[in-house]
Amino acid sequence: DVKVTQSSRYLVKRTGEKVFLECVQDMDHENMFWYRQDPGLGLRLIYFSYDVKMKEKGDIPEGYSVSREKKERFSLILESASTNQTSMYLCASSLPLGGRGTDTQYFGPGTRLTVL
Amino acid sequence: DQQVKQNSPSLSVQEGRISILNCDYTNSMFDYFLWYKKYPAEGPTFLISISSIKDKNEDGRFTVFLNKSAKHLSLHIVPSQPGDSAVYFCAASDLYNQGGKLIFGQGTELSVKP
Repeated sequence: DVKVTQSSRYLVKRTGEKVFLECVQDMDHENMFWYRQDPGLGLRLIYFSYDVKMKEKGDIPEGYSVSREKKERFSLILESASTNQTSMYLCASSLPLGGRGTDTQYFGPGTRLTVL
Repeated sequence: DQQVKQNSPSLSVQEGRISILNCDYTNSMFDYFLWYKKYPAEGPTFLISISSIKDKNEDGRFTVFLNKSAKHLSLHIVPSQPGDSAVYFCAASDLYNQGGKLIFGQGTELSVKP
C-alpha cells in the first residue's frame, strides 16, 4: 500500500512566521503535489513536482514555495504566513504517466493549519 | 474558471437506497476521471476511476458513468450505507497534455441516514 505521511496533523502559527510543511511518501513515486482544501472550493493545486529538484506552479502558488531535495520528500513553505492561508493542506503522490497510464494520486492525512 | 463542477454541495439519502453524485466538466480534452472520498480530518482516498474510452466502470457497490457528449459523470452507490457518509470529490485529467495534474470539483457531502 502507498503511504504518504505529513509531518503534523494540526499546526497553529502566528502571522508573519515562516512555516514548513513536510510530506514523505514511501512508494518511490516521481510525482508529488501540494493542495489546499477550503469549504466550497474543493482541492486547489499549489505546487507540484515531477522529479527531484523540479517544481512547477499550480493554480494558486502565491505566498508559497516548495523544495524537493530527495525523491521521497516534498516540502511546502509559507514564507510569511497570513490569516488567509488558514486551511487544510494535503500532500499527494503518483507514478509518472508512463508507469501506470493513469493519474491516480494518493493522499496524506492532511495538515490543518491555523494562522492567528 | 471552474473546469470541473459539482453543483450539489450536499446530498442526503436513506440507508439501503441509491446515492447518485453528479459532476460536470467543460474541458473536452479531459480523458481520465476519478472519484475520491474524504472523511473529516483525513486525506482523500481513491474510490474509482474511468477512462474516456469507456462509459461505465463498476467496483462492488460503486459504479461510475461517463457521458462524454454531455460532459457529465456520475457516481452511483448501491446500496448506500451509513459508512459512506463523507465528502466526495470528482477529478479529471488530460493525460497526454497535462499528465499528472488533476482538476478537482468542489465536493459533495453525502449523508446516509440509518
